[in-house]
Amino acid sequence: KQEVTQIPAALSVPEGENLVLNCSFTDSAIYNLQWFRQDPGKGLTSLLLIQSSQREQTSGRLNASLDKSSGRSTLYIAASQPGDSATYLCAVRPRAGGTSYGKLTFGQGTILTVHP
Amino acid sequence: DGGITQSPKYLFRKEGQNVTLSCEQNLNHDAMYWYRQDPGQGLRLIYYSQIVNDFQKGDIAEGYSVSREKKESFPLTVTSAQKNPTAFYLCASSIGQGLGTEAFFGQGTRLTVV
Repeated sequence: KQEVTQIPAALSVPEGENLVLNCSFTDSAIYNLQWFRQDPGKGLTSLLLIQSSQREQTSGRLNASLDKSSGRSTLYIAASQPGDSATYLCAVRPRAGGTSYGKLTFGQGTILTVHP
Repeated sequence: DGGITQSPKYLFRKEGQNVTLSCEQNLNHDAMYWYRQDPGQGLRLIYYSQIVNDFQKGDIAEGYSVSREKKESFPLTVTSAQKNPTAFYLCASSIGQGLGTEAFFGQGTRLTVV
């Protein structure tokens, strides 16, 4: 059974710092990995999607990397801002063709606080 | 304006009552999902559907039921058999097959037992 772990559980940084959020998964047979942001009481907003054949994806100040063989992904946030404060979740989708295809498995998230 | 719409935003349920949460999408996605979110436990999959008139149980399906009669709609019923239904419920959709399969989420429904 796929298990996804996110470290750290919470992170508090001053504005302007570059930071790294970690996501690890136990089964490397994934189709893709997706990073989300969740604001309190809201739904999830998709940030980045990395296919299993890709090493990284970038969007603005965000960069996500994927090392499938070691079961790890990192989300790098450059020059953090107070507006980046939210919970960040990663989720993996199993490889196509199996009975579990379509079942996204989530980590428990990292709560990020960026203070001015 | 494309997206996923969940309603209502807040829902209160009395003991022994069934309630239905609505999820509608206009993204033309084949796959739809229901997740439950509890504090400290992350998101857990309740049911998912990869095509109309077909759905599969997720990890915590007991006490819940779904239907998928239309591509756009995937309602979730929380039955009286669900003993601890208070949670935040999230609906999602994705293309379903092929490259991409990026998942998109609605804004959630917060269900409280009174």
